[in-house]
Amino acid sequence: DADVTQTPRNRITKTGKRIMLECSQTKGHDRMYWYRQDPGLGLRLIYYSFDVKDINKGEISDGYSVSRQAQAKFSLSLESAIPNQTALYFCATSDFTGELSSYNEQFFGPGTRLTVL
Amino acid sequence: GQQLNQSPQSMFIQEGEDVSMNCTSSSIFNTWLWYKQDPGEGPVLLIALYKAGELTSNGRLTAQFGITRKDSFLNISASIPSDVGIYFCAGPSPSFLSGYALNFGKGTSLLVTP
Repeated sequence: DADVTQTPRNRITKTGKRIMLECSQTKGHDRMYWYRQDPGLGLRLIYYSFDVKDINKGEISDGYSVSRQAQAKFSLSLESAIPNQTALYFCATSDFTGELSSYNEQFFGPGTRLTVL
Repeated sequence: GQQLNQSPQSMFIQEGEDVSMNCTSSSIFNTWLWYKQDPGEGPVLLIALYKAGELTSNGRLTAQFGITRKDSFLNISASIPSDVGIYFCAGPSPSFLSGYALNFGKGTSLLVTP
């Protein structure tokens, strides 16, 4: 079974609808992230969370909100979807060693392809 | 976030050829990462570089951390069809407040013909 799962894998919705994308992980990691991928633009950070009580905005948080329901679950919501939010969305997780200077590998889910008409 | 400039944008090569791609930044990075994204999947870490001048291999892949700490290179030798995908360079944002989220390049799309 995959360590980082995302649901749904594909979603088509209409402008103005509320959409929730869900991410679950079995890696036991404290840190979780939501990224957005657009063709030719790489991945850009939307929100991240250090633990259940910690939520932080990333580079492109406008139009999005998140909820960290548990250590293993991190959801991304589009309150009122618009066409330019059509993209591929990735959840990622990482461990934390306690050393501020260290980098811990991020593990990505398989992605959710969202189309807003 | 800090901008990473990755080139080339795409490559179309024949099986067996060697591949080289690079990534540059106007800012210094303490870590350089190379990820590969297979079609329909999330990115997977290939190589991590932690020291300026470091040269690290992973099978047919070799990556180098530039001595100026502002660039990195990834080489693939004797390419095979399963090398197809998008290759991203990435660097952790240096501020603790950003949670060490990753700054990604825009990717190099690699196509390999048999």
